[in-house]
Amino acid sequence: GAGVSQSPSNKVTEKGKDVELRCDPISGHTALYWYRQSLGQGLEFLIYFQGNSAPDKSGLPSDRFSAERTGGSVSTLTIQRTQQEDSAVYLCASSFGIDQNIQYFGAGTRLSVL
Amino acid sequence: QKEVEQDPGPLSVPEGAIVSLNCTYSNSAFQYFMWYRQYSRKGPELLMYTYSSGNKEDGRFTAQVDKSSKYISLFIRDSQPSDSATYLCAMSAPPWGQNFVFGPGTRLSVLP
Repeated sequence: GAGVSQSPSNKVTEKGKDVELRCDPISGHTALYWYRQSLGQGLEFLIYFQGNSAPDKSGLPSDRFSAERTGGSVSTLTIQRTQQEDSAVYLCASSFGIDQNIQYFGAGTRLSVL
Repeated sequence: QKEVEQDPGPLSVPEGAIVSLNCTYSNSAFQYFMWYRQYSRKGPELLMYTYSSGNKEDGRFTAQVDKSSKYISLFIRDSQPSDSATYLCAMSAPPWGQNFVFGPGTRLSVLP
């Protein structure tokens, strides 16, 4: 596609339910990143993939969070047993080549946990 | 102390003004410094990218890095209403991953 695509754009869920957020990176981009953005906070790094491998998972806030990437393309971020503090915008980015500072972001998924 | 500090604003200026946006940081290992611009309900987009200390100019935008003071700046000349957005500084050091940090962002409004 022309850019990084994320779905859904908005998600409202009840506390305790599981949610899946999807990211479709720019075609050919080998690296994929997940961030969380809360009101008034900077982007919080969650995890990144190089191909299908995740060299650094240390940003995931708890074991309720997991992510996978298949075929070196689409990635899914899963949050189990959602809590109200999980409410935030979840952003995905991708990059091509060795410079991981140059990232292209999707518009994000706005998650609201009631 | 937060790793990266940035005045959240909001900052309101008249069209044509020179805007100065700043970040301070505490980790002396940071080597790469970026400014991202984020419009409402959109993802950030890379605006400026510098390595180590010095200045970089691109059109109306100038990025400055002073590693000795752990201070970076973004200047916008002849500001336009279309510059109204949130500006996020970011910095990184190898190995990549947790060593890539964003500031909280400054919200800028340029009034016509």
